Amino acid sequence: AQKVTQAQTEISVVEKEDVTLDCVYETRDTTYYLFWYKQPPSGELVFLIRRNSFDEQNEISGRYSWNFQKSTSSFNFTITASQVVDSAVYFCALTEGYGQNFVFGPGTRLSVLP
Amino acid sequence: DGGITQSPKYLFRKEGQNVTLSCEQNLNHDAMYWYRQDPGQGLRLIYYSQIVNDFQKGDIAEGYSVSREKKESFPLTVTSAQKNPTAFYLCASSFWEGSNQPQHFGDGTRLSIL
Repeated sequence: AQKVTQAQTEISVVEKEDVTLDCVYETRDTTYYLFWYKQPPSGELVFLIRRNSFDEQNEISGRYSWNFQKSTSSFNFTITASQVVDSAVYFCALTEGYGQNFVFGPGTRLSVLP
Repeated sequence: DGGITQSPKYLFRKEGQNVTLSCEQNLNHDAMYWYRQDPGQGLRLIYYSQIVNDFQKGDIAEGYSVSREKKESFPLTVTSAQKNPTAFYLCASSFWEGSNQPQHFGDGTRLSIL
């Protein structure tokens, strides 16, 4: 069965600090996809990134970067030089095979203080 | 602008009453989904639909019903059989063809019991 764990329930940082959000997943499939979503206070989930199991290259997008390591079943998300607007709940999610059955982690609430 | 519209934003239900949450999308997406979000938990899938006139139960379908008469619309009814309906409900949509397409989310409906 597939499972996503986000061990950090809440994180608080001061603006301009770097912060890493952890995501550990479980799957028996060799083909799977990993996602990160951001949920700001307004409620809607905003798609950030999708990664397939065959591509372990790390990715950087502006202040955001993702570290995918199959050896540890982790897909961690780092925000560099955090800003107050980064305050949100961040969800890691997994789909197996070529399906659309998303399994979400419990989320990490990030508070960036001015 | 293309997007997903959920209404109402807030909804109150009396004991023994059925209520219907609306979800409309104009993204030309094939698939639509309903999730329930409880505090401190990730999203849990209630129902999803790949095409018109077809839908499948998710992990927590009991006490809920859906219909998919039009591609753009996927209303969710919370029936009186759902004993603990207080939650935040999110609707999402995606393309189905291809693998593991990102889901796009609405702003959510917060349902409370009177």
